[in-house]
Amino acid sequence: GAGVSQTPSNKVTEKGKYVELRCDPISGHTALYWYRQSLGQGPEFLIYFQGTGAADDSGLPNDRFFAVRPEGSVSTLKIQRTERGDSAVYLCASSLAGGHEQYFGPGTRLTVT
Amino acid sequence: SQKIEQNSEALNIQEGKTATLTCNYTNYSPAYLQWYRQDPGRGPVFLLLIRENEKEKRKERLKVTFDTTLKQSLFHITASQPADSATYLCALDLSLGNEKLTFGTGTRLTIIP
Repeated sequence: GAGVSQTPSNKVTEKGKYVELRCDPISGHTALYWYRQSLGQGPEFLIYFQGTGAADDSGLPNDRFFAVRPEGSVSTLKIQRTERGDSAVYLCASSLAGGHEQYFGPGTRLTVT
Repeated sequence: SQKIEQNSEALNIQEGKTATLTCNYTNYSPAYLQWYRQDPGRGPVFLLLIRENEKEKRKERLKVTFDTTLKQSLFHITASQPADSATYLCALDLSLGNEKLTFGTGTRLTIIP
């Protein structure tokens, strides 16, 4: 079956612009996670959804970052007034309810110039 | 402060030998510890999960140990092959109800033919 997909695969934007990153989880997976990975580092947790609600957004760095999952499937990570420090690979993962194994997408590489 | 350390940034092993990767953590009490493989330009792929009350877990050529007293996990690949070359990430699952993962920085393993 299809895995987790993320679009776009690459996004280059200018400092100060708004961007949206999309994640399509595996069908039937109720848990969805966003992580951010900088070069040479492991993924860093941003936010977790169980169904439609954000159950834990403690990893969002500031209020410029926001994520939604309105129908409990596709999720969008939104970044306002982008800064050069936001440049990273943004990874999405999904899992079954109560499951521990996470299935990751290929990531979106965001570059802020 | 809380910290996860993976033994070395890079490890070179001769083909056919056993590769051993180390994950040490401080000031965490994980319920589970997971190992993921990440290839360049791709998202992490789940390999193995070990629970806090388990000492060892095996899957084909892979073996993981978990010592909660030493706060250490060892990840072994036996009969290593060039195709095993990748970055390996350990991740702590504190299982606080949301299964979010806290990752180490990873070890880049190269198997030399």
